[in-house]
Amino acid sequence: GQNIDQPTEMTATEGAIVQINCTYQTSGFNGLFWYQQHAGEAPTFLSYNVLDGLEEKGRFSSFLSRSKGYSYLLLKELQMKDSASYLCAVRDLGGSNYQLIWGAGTKLIIKP
Amino acid sequence: NAGVMQNPRHLVRRRGQEARLRCSPMKGHSHVYWYRQLPEEGLKFMVYLQKENIIDESGMPKERFSAEFPKEGPSILRIQQVVRGDSAAYFCASSPTSGPTGRETQYFGPGTRLLVL
Repeated sequence: GQNIDQPTEMTATEGAIVQINCTYQTSGFNGLFWYQQHAGEAPTFLSYNVLDGLEEKGRFSSFLSRSKGYSYLLLKELQMKDSASYLCAVRDLGGSNYQLIWGAGTKLIIKP
Repeated sequence: NAGVMQNPRHLVRRRGQEARLRCSPMKGHSHVYWYRQLPEEGLKFMVYLQKENIIDESGMPKERFSAEFPKEGPSILRIQQVVRGDSAAYFCASSPTSGPTGRETQYFGPGTRLLVL
């Protein structure tokens, strides 16, 4: 079957670093996406990994290990505006190659 | 370059009425996806369309729900005889290409919040 697991909620302090993990079980794999979604707003694209390793983009980095079915999103120098839900999504080639399988999201709360 | 547009942003319907949600993809995008999201939950895929074609509607209820993406005009998600359980946020996303390779990043519209009284 298809399954994406993320922690439901995390709390971190402004200025600190936080790592949000995502594990997946899919019959195929063709890329993993991270999206940010502020309450009441649309998801916005953050990062994409298809090969193993770390992709860095400013304060945000995303890591992928295909053999472990594991990814994480690393947020540095946290700001209050980073309070949002972070959604992990996997493109599963086992089914439709255009369909993303979505995790339920991790709600990140930033405290001063 | 305008992003994905959805209207209305908020829609209130009484049980039994019809809800019609519209989505205009980003310029140059010919692939449209509809998702449903309940509060505090993840996105649930409903349907994937290309111009004039439904490619995958495996996530859409068999009854009362339909979607189209005509040659001209926006994509429409139609819910007939709405019930309270249909209350949710409905997001539309578009992508420039789709296939076995490539990033095919989906870009989301602001969503339509449907409330059924």
